[in-house]
Amino acid sequence: DQQVKQNSPSLSVQEGRISILNCDYTNSMFDYFLWYKKYPAEGPTFLISISSIKDKNEDGRFTVFLNKSAKHLSLHIVPSQPGDSAVYFCAASEGFMDSNYQLIWGAGTKLIIKP
Amino acid sequence: DAGVTQSPTHLIKTRGQHVTLRCSPISGHKSVSWYQQVLGQGPQFIFQYYEKEERGRGNFPDRFSARQFPNYSSELNVNALLLGDSALYLCASSVGLAVTYEQYFGPGTRLTVT
Repeated sequence: DQQVKQNSPSLSVQEGRISILNCDYTNSMFDYFLWYKKYPAEGPTFLISISSIKDKNEDGRFTVFLNKSAKHLSLHIVPSQPGDSAVYFCAASEGFMDSNYQLIWGAGTKLIIKP
Repeated sequence: DAGVTQSPTHLIKTRGQHVTLRCSPISGHKSVSWYQQVLGQGPQFIFQYYEKEERGRGNFPDRFSARQFPNYSSELNVNALLLGDSALYLCASSVGLAVTYEQYFGPGTRLTVT
C-alpha cells in the first residue's frame, strides 16, 4: 500500500526552464511534507518542506505547492540548472508537532537537466 | 564540521548470517534514524533513537534491532539475513525528535546478501 506516490520515474527538462515534480498521497492524516534531493553515492539532502496549514512555501529557486483537497503536492524549480540533475524524493509525516519522525517516502523521480 | 558517517561502505554477507552497521551522527545531534532503501524505491523507516531510547519503529521484523550509545552513535543489527535484506541502509541524524528538525543523511551502507 503506497501512501506516497511519485508517478513519474524520470523527467527531462531544458536548462533554464521550469521543472515540475509531482507527488500524490492517500493518507489524509499526513500534515507535513518534505522534498529531498539525492545524488549518486550520497545520502538524501533536505530541500524544502511545507505543513498542511500552508498551500505554498518558497525558498530561492524552489517552491512547493500543496493541494490538500486533491492530496497532491508539487515542487517547482525555476530556472532549472545542470546541478539540479538528481533523484527527488517526496516524503510525508503525520503529527508534525509531535515527537514523530516516521517519514513515508515516495519512490523518487530522476530529474535530468539538459544543457 | 564532519557530516553523518557510516561504516562500512559496502558489505557482502551470506544468507543466515548476522550484520552490524554503524553510524556516527553530527556533533550535537541526539536523534538517529535508520532507513532501508531497496533499489528503485524510496527509503523505508526502520528505527528512530533519541537519547539512547527507541522512539519509533517501522514495519520491520524482529530480526532488525538497533541501539544508541552514550556518545549518540548507533548500531543497526540484522540477524538471519535474507536475500531480500539486500539494500542501501541509510542513517540520518537530527537535533531533536520532531519531523520539523532537519534530518541529515549519511552516504549509506550497501549490503548485498548472497
